[in-house]
Amino acid sequence: AQSVTQLGSHVSVSEGALVLLRCNYSSSVPPYLFWYVQYPNQGLQLLLKYTSAATLVKGINGFEAEFKKSETSFHLTKPSAHMSDAAEYFCAVSERAGNMLTFGGGTRLMVKP
Amino acid sequence: ETGVTQSPTHLIKTRGQQVTLRCSSQSGHNTVSWYQQALGQGPQFIFQYYREEENGRGNFPPRFSGLQFPNYSSELNVNALELDDSALYLCARSGQGNNEQFFGPGTRLTVL
Repeated sequence: AQSVTQLGSHVSVSEGALVLLRCNYSSSVPPYLFWYVQYPNQGLQLLLKYTSAATLVKGINGFEAEFKKSETSFHLTKPSAHMSDAAEYFCAVSERAGNMLTFGGGTRLMVKP
Repeated sequence: ETGVTQSPTHLIKTRGQQVTLRCSSQSGHNTVSWYQQALGQGPQFIFQYYREEENGRGNFPPRFSGLQFPNYSSELNVNALELDDSALYLCARSGQGNNEQFFGPGTRLTVL
């Protein structure tokens, strides 16, 4: 069985500060890992994905994530937060390509001016 | 733009009624998944359809059922609605290579 834990349901940063959103997963097989962003009253937008290629994955809007097998982690970072980054972020895992996604509970990112 | 559309955008039903939600994809990918997202929670997998056959199911009761049509559009049907069915229902199509899923904007269902 697979599961995802996102530490911190709410994260607040100042504009221009580093963003770090934490994700730990469990999976019985090498996983596919994803980060999605959800703006209010909208669906999910794919930020980036890890599919067993490079462990450092670059995504859209300046976000990146690093897969660390030894720590079973896939934390999301961005060097400098913008006001437009304020949203809900979800980490997800899948054990097979195209198969069901298991999501974490989400982290709401707030950006202070 | 993910190329996935869902209808209706919002829906209000009363307990015990039945509802049908719809999803279509411009690109015609043959795998569609449905998720339920309760307020303040992450999405939960309901089921997946591949070439018109159910291809996996999450921990949802049989009153949640689905269909996929030859044009790859899909329906989610929920019978005997309960208050806890109030949620955002998301449809997703698989991308090229099937490594990722692209989501529609969702249907917000409220059960009174």
